[in-house]
Amino acid sequence: DSGVTQTPKHLITATGQRVTLRCSPRSGDLSVYWYQQSLDQGLQFLIQYYNGEERAKGNILERFSAQQFPDLHSELNLSSLELGDSALYFCASSVGPVGGNEKLFFGSGTQLSVL
Amino acid sequence: KNQVEQSPQSLIILEGKNCTLQCNYTVSPFSNLRWYKQDTGRGPVSLTIMTFSENTKSNGRYTATLDADTKQSSLHITASQLSDSASYICVVSGAAGNKLTFGGGTRVLVKP
Repeated sequence: DSGVTQTPKHLITATGQRVTLRCSPRSGDLSVYWYQQSLDQGLQFLIQYYNGEERAKGNILERFSAQQFPDLHSELNLSSLELGDSALYFCASSVGPVGGNEKLFFGSGTQLSVL
Repeated sequence: KNQVEQSPQSLIILEGKNCTLQCNYTVSPFSNLRWYKQDTGRGPVSLTIMTFSENTKSNGRYTATLDADTKQSSLHITASQLSDSASYICVVSGAAGNKLTFGGGTRVLVKP
């Protein structure tokens, strides 16, 4: 168990809908990262928050948004969903910003299926 | 453009045998290189992290090597077990810090 909790584990929804994915980082970790992994593709970095502030942005669509709350949990909001948004969404956490020798600890992911 | 290329894309090995996975990267400047193991439907788990000055690092039956001059890394699995069946992902961190560049992974299937 990595200590990173993601909910829900599975989500099935329809095109055009909006969903919220939730992540609780490991105790003491200040950074939260969101990644998307489509079928047979590598992990794509979406966005990082550090201690409540946006730290880095990757290939995140304008239809997607995220935030990190004062208790350090994070939510990823996906709106106007399309079939191509179906993927595994992973959250990871670390103590500080990546760049040093810190490990990233990944949650078990949320499997999103858009029908 | 920062890239991380892994080879082979997939491989099948017999239980007890050894195998080596390759990772080539173009990330510059370079901070560290990581190998992760990802079981199907699960999050990646860190195996090793190596900085510029480290040539080799082991974690049990997993040994990673790094040649920062040629920008190549390898992950060697010794005496493979069925539980080694997973995807192995090479990840490079640039010196700028925040962004990691992920390779596409190598899928390993260990057969009895």
